[in-house]
Amino acid sequence: DQQVKQNSPSLSVQEGRISILNCDYTNSMFDYFLWYKKYPAEGPTFLISISSIKDKNEDGRFTVFLNKSAKHLSLHIVPSQPGDSAVYFCAASGRGLAGTASKLTFGTGTRLQVTL
Amino acid sequence: NAGVTQTPKFRILKIGQSMTLQCTQDMNHNYMYWYRQDPGMGLKLIYYSVGAGITDKGEVPNGYNVSRSTTEDFPLRLELAAPSQTSVYFCASERGGMNTEAFFGQGTRLTVV
Repeated sequence: DQQVKQNSPSLSVQEGRISILNCDYTNSMFDYFLWYKKYPAEGPTFLISISSIKDKNEDGRFTVFLNKSAKHLSLHIVPSQPGDSAVYFCAASGRGLAGTASKLTFGTGTRLQVTL
Repeated sequence: NAGVTQTPKFRILKIGQSMTLQCTQDMNHNYMYWYRQDPGMGLKLIYYSVGAGITDKGEVPNGYNVSRSTTEDFPLRLELAAPSQTSVYFCASERGGMNTEAFFGQGTRLTVV
């Protein structure tokens, strides 16, 4: 049972345009969502996150939107750059109170290719 | 600042052999995790620890053991390697508290033949 779904295995975007990566989840107990970026032969690196009490979080070129009623989040990258080419994982946790482990549930990833 | 360090980076095991994947972090994080990633899949949680001496099972713990004798180290033990354990293994650490993020090591690519 896939609780976090990334239905697009790949996405190709031209340099300078917007990249939109989507993620759906089914578990209503998830209260914190993260996006990780992964290059080949490296570990995932944290990109941006959002708490369930917010609907938008922005960090430079990266913005994450959360629609709780639809159980959907998206990552927007504007403008896209060739260095953004990587696999992007959506992850979720139902931590609840502070002091508990995050125990992330990951999606299967979307491979983004930014072309010149 | 080294962050999370995993050794070895690559390993080939024969069926039935055992090995320990090492993980150490220098950020004084309380929480540590082991995940595995199979081809085309997301990462799945094997075991986690909320502090020295405390460990618990994740989603896919069968065939693995862990220990946490210090804050820095969280080794993962495979006792009887099986082909189903062929995967890339990632260790992660996290400060803990509300809305914190996990930091991952580079991974260990393990092949069981």
